[in-house]
Amino acid sequence: AQSVTQLGSHVSVSEGALVLLRCNYSSSVPPYLFWYVQYPNQGLQLLLKYTSAATLVKGINGFEAEFKKSETSFHLTKPSAHMSDAAEYFCASRNYGGSQGNLIFGKGTKLSVKP
Amino acid sequence: NAGVTQTPKFQVLKTGQSMTLQCAQDMNHEYMSWYRQDPGMGLRLIHYSVGAGITDQGEVPNGYNVSRSTTEDFPLRLLSAAPSQTSVYFCASSSRDYPTGELFFGEGSRLTVL
Repeated sequence: AQSVTQLGSHVSVSEGALVLLRCNYSSSVPPYLFWYVQYPNQGLQLLLKYTSAATLVKGINGFEAEFKKSETSFHLTKPSAHMSDAAEYFCASRNYGGSQGNLIFGKGTKLSVKP
Repeated sequence: NAGVTQTPKFQVLKTGQSMTLQCAQDMNHEYMSWYRQDPGMGLRLIHYSVGAGITDQGEVPNGYNVSRSTTEDFPLRLLSAAPSQTSVYFCASSSRDYPTGELFFGEGSRLTVL
């Protein structure tokens, strides 16, 4: 069964510092991978997704993630944090059809940005 | 440009009461799903549907019913509410090109069961 593990439930960075949010997946075949962001009291919105076209994926708001099959990882990075990046981030995986087409989420990482 | 619309946004129930959370999407998406979000647990799938007339269980289906009579609507029914069902519920939909396609989320329904 597929699963997603996010290391660190809380990450705190200073404004202007590198953001690194970690995600590892477990699946018998490389899945499709997603990062979603949730701002307070809102729904989730897609940051970026990996669908096997390219291993380095660029998303909105300056975020990017690299798919590494050998490490079963899909870590999210941003070179310079901004106060507006404070939110909760979810990594998710999705496999092929049927019930495996459902999106499986990690438990989330809350990002705080200090001035 | 409505997308996925959930109602109500907030609801307080007493133990044993029943209610329906409504979800409607105007994007003609075949796939629809319900998740619950609890602190430290991420989002867990309750039920999903791959088209009108087709529904199936997710990870945490107990205590919930769904139906899909139209492409647009996917209501979630709580049969006899329990305090353990206090949560934030999200409806989401995606087009036929899942699993690669983006899942679009509603803004959530916050339910408190006393």
